Amino acid sequence: GQQVMQIPQYQHVQEGEDFTTYCNSSTTLSNIQWYKQRPGGHPVFLIQLVKSGEVKKQKRLTFQFGEAKKNSSLHITATQTTDVGTYFCAGLNTGGFKTIFGAGTRLFVKA
Amino acid sequence: GAGVSQTPSNKVTEKGKYVELRCDPISGHTALYWYRQSLGQGPEFLIYFQGTGAADDSGLPNDRFFAVRPEGSVSTLKIQRTERGDSAVYLCASSLTSESEQFFGPGTRLTVL
Repeated sequence: GQQVMQIPQYQHVQEGEDFTTYCNSSTTLSNIQWYKQRPGGHPVFLIQLVKSGEVKKQKRLTFQFGEAKKNSSLHITATQTTDVGTYFCAGLNTGGFKTIFGAGTRLFVKA
Repeated sequence: GAGVSQTPSNKVTEKGKYVELRCDPISGHTALYWYRQSLGQGPEFLIYFQGTGAADDSGLPNDRFFAVRPEGSVSTLKIQRTERGDSAVYLCASSLTSESEQFFGPGTRLTVL
């Protein structure tokens, strides 16, 4: 079945350093969404990418969708302590309804 | 309310018992999802409803799990003969369509003793 792999599992950074998490799907995706989950909280939607090669920015966050629509990345510039949490990618199969989440990358930011 | 709500927030039950978990989606959202999340893992897809019908239930682990959404709004996830391995946080999410952002509820933490 479809799998969505996400790396790294954990990332420790010093405040001000950059951070990137990568997501790879075993199948071509219709779209990919990114969510953030704070400790003890529930996933909160960040962004959706639909087009091949799409790049979107939200302040210090940059999201990319690969040309083959099978991989994606989230890059945070100059991390802040408020960026702490787990970042999940979630892929939707072409023609399907099933959203498959990656295992997430947990970000720790040291002040 | 403005968001997705789930009840109860916590449920402790004994092995072999039956439980029901409820989800109230955002008004007007026709798409509704159930997920299960274990510690340190991403949400695991269980079932997707479009309106009243289950369009994709391929994530339900076995026939002990069943979900309904009779009027296209509130949904109930039902687990029969609970097992210790069913312990997890059960998340519900709703969205306008199957391809739009999902709004998650706070989850129900199920503990099976």
